[in-house]
This record gives sequence, C-alpha cells and structure tokens, in this order.
Amino acid sequence: GQNIDQPTEMTATEGAIVQINCTYQTSGFNGLFWYQQHAGEAPTFLSYNVLDGLEEKGRFSSFLSRSKGYSYLLLKELQMKDSASYLCAVWRTGGFKTIFGAGTRLFVKA
Amino acid sequence: EPEVTQTPSHQVTQMGQEVILRCVPISNHLYFYWYRQILGQKVEFLVSFYNNEISEKSEIFDDQFSVERPDGSNFTLKIRSTKLEDSAMYFCASSDNSGRRNTGELFFGEGSRLTVL
Repeated sequence: GQNIDQPTEMTATEGAIVQINCTYQTSGFNGLFWYQQHAGEAPTFLSYNVLDGLEEKGRFSSFLSRSKGYSYLLLKELQMKDSASYLCAVWRTGGFKTIFGAGTRLFVKA
Repeated sequence: EPEVTQTPSHQVTQMGQEVILRCVPISNHLYFYWYRQILGQKVEFLVSFYNNEISEKSEIFDDQFSVERPDGSNFTLKIRSTKLEDSAMYFCASSDNSGRRNTGELFFGEGSRLTVL
C-alpha cells in the first residue's frame, strides 16, 4: 500500500525560512513531487525529485532521501503570497498514478 | 502557455442524475487523469488514461464512473447516478511522460465543482 504523512498546519513569519517535511511509504517509487495549492484553486507544480539530494529552484528547494522515505520542501524569504497548502505527492511506477498527501497548510504572518 | 481546460466550472445536480464533466488536455500530452477533492480534504486519484484505455483506477472509481476520449481533444468523466457524497471539486490533469520530459508532472485544469443536492 501507500502512505504519505506531512504536518497539517505550519505558521511562519514573512521573510523567514520554513521547512515542510514529508514521509512516505509506497510500493513502487518513480519520484516525489511538491505542489502548491491556494484555496479554491488547482495544484500547481513546484518541484520533482527522483534521485537523492537537494534540488534548488529560486526560493524553493526540495530534498529527497529514498532510503528513508523522506522529503522536505524548503521555502526561503517567505512572502505573504506563499500562504497556501503544500502537497507532497508520490509518483508510483506502473499505471501512471500520483498519490497525494493531505497537504500542509502554511500561514505566513507579517 | 498551453493549459488544461475544464467545463463546467460549477454544476449543481439532483441526486440520481447523470453528470458529464469535460476536459481538454494539453494537446501534445498523452496521459490523462481525473482527481477529486472533497472540500477540506486531500486530492484523491480517480483514474489514469493512456492510449485510449484506463491505465489504473482507484477504489473510488466504481461502476458509477466512466471515462471517455470521444475525439482527439476531449476527455470526459461521467457519473451515472450521482450521490450526495460525490459533491467535490473534480480536477482533470494531463502529463507528458515522454522522453523529452519524463517527470510525470501533472498539469491541472481549474476544476469542476460538483454539488449534488
């Protein structure tokens, strides 16, 4: 089966750094995604990791450890517009199936 | 920039009625998906579709659900007899799992909000 765990909510201050963790268990792993979802909108792609290590993209970085079933999303220089849900998602091998975690709601305060 | 489009944006229906949700995936994408999100809950996989057939479906996708690609551009989700618990946002997505961009990144439409009364 599969299981994806991430914190339900986090709060951080504008300009700060926040790390959102995700642990997963899955049969068949083809990569891990992070998506951002603002309230009432569709998810949008942030990052993809398939190999161990850190992928950096502007203010956003994502890390993966396949042996530990662990990933994190790092957001730097937080802005108010970063207030959203951040969804950890596992792309399973075979069948083209991506499974989403419940998401972490991030509140950025001034 | 190419995008996935969905219609209708919102549909209200009576329990037991049939509903068809429509999607136009990105034109050069080969893989199509339906997800749903009940208000306040997580994004749930329903079905994936490739080469004119279902690749994988979840336990949610029972006999009341069907998908079709009736022509070269549309991808539809039909719910035959809606239930109250089918009320949700339904997202269509497509991906280009080709050698050029083999990441499986999902491009989502804006969603169709279904309300069953």
